[in-house]
Amino acid sequence: DAMVIQNPRYQVTQFGKPVTLSCSQTLNHNVMYWYQQKSSQAPKLLFHYYDKDFNNEADTPDNFQSRRPNTSFCFLDIRSPGLGDAAMYLCATSTQGRSGGTQYFGPGTRLLVL
Amino acid sequence: AQSVSQHNHHVILSEAASLELGCNYSYGGTVNLFWYVQYPGQHLQLLLKYFSGDPLVKGIKGFEAEFIKSKFSFNLRKPSVQWSDTAEYFCAVNNYGQNFVFGPGTRLSVLP
Repeated sequence: DAMVIQNPRYQVTQFGKPVTLSCSQTLNHNVMYWYQQKSSQAPKLLFHYYDKDFNNEADTPDNFQSRRPNTSFCFLDIRSPGLGDAAMYLCATSTQGRSGGTQYFGPGTRLLVL
Repeated sequence: AQSVSQHNHHVILSEAASLELGCNYSYGGTVNLFWYVQYPGQHLQLLLKYFSGDPLVKGIKGFEAEFIKSKFSFNLRKPSVQWSDTAEYFCAVNNYGQNFVFGPGTRLSVLP
């Protein structure tokens, strides 16, 4: 089945130790998103790729970076995780155009910062 | 900028009760509207969506939503809830060509 896959499902890191979260998709969608979701809150968009074009949200900290080496994969790099970065990180995909506006979400990676 | 509000933070119902969750958005241009559900420990799943046409949209698991353009609303309804509907429900709005904006979510607890 076509889907959005995130690995790992749970990630534990130490304060200040760089961590990378990965997302892959078999939907062949041209847009990929990264969201941060804290407990009992709405997902907050960090950035998205429209094909290879990177679009950063204005309030996304510099600590968060992303890479998209090809259509299928997208990575979220947290350079120096702080305690406040502990959250669920969601990857989503969508297609271009009005009829393709639906976003399809992966299961998320829960990040714990010690 | 687009904003989305959801009327209730937490709704508690007994099984078989009827459900209506409110959602309002601020921007009056062309919009796509969505309801997503997040069951405990699971990922966001699409319940239903409205792009155009009939403003009464039917989704999965017996849910439906009505788009009322004049009220900037897209309320979610279900005539009879089940314990398995316990989840967080998010309304989302996508202005044509722009990014999603999620509402803050409504937690639904259904008592058996």
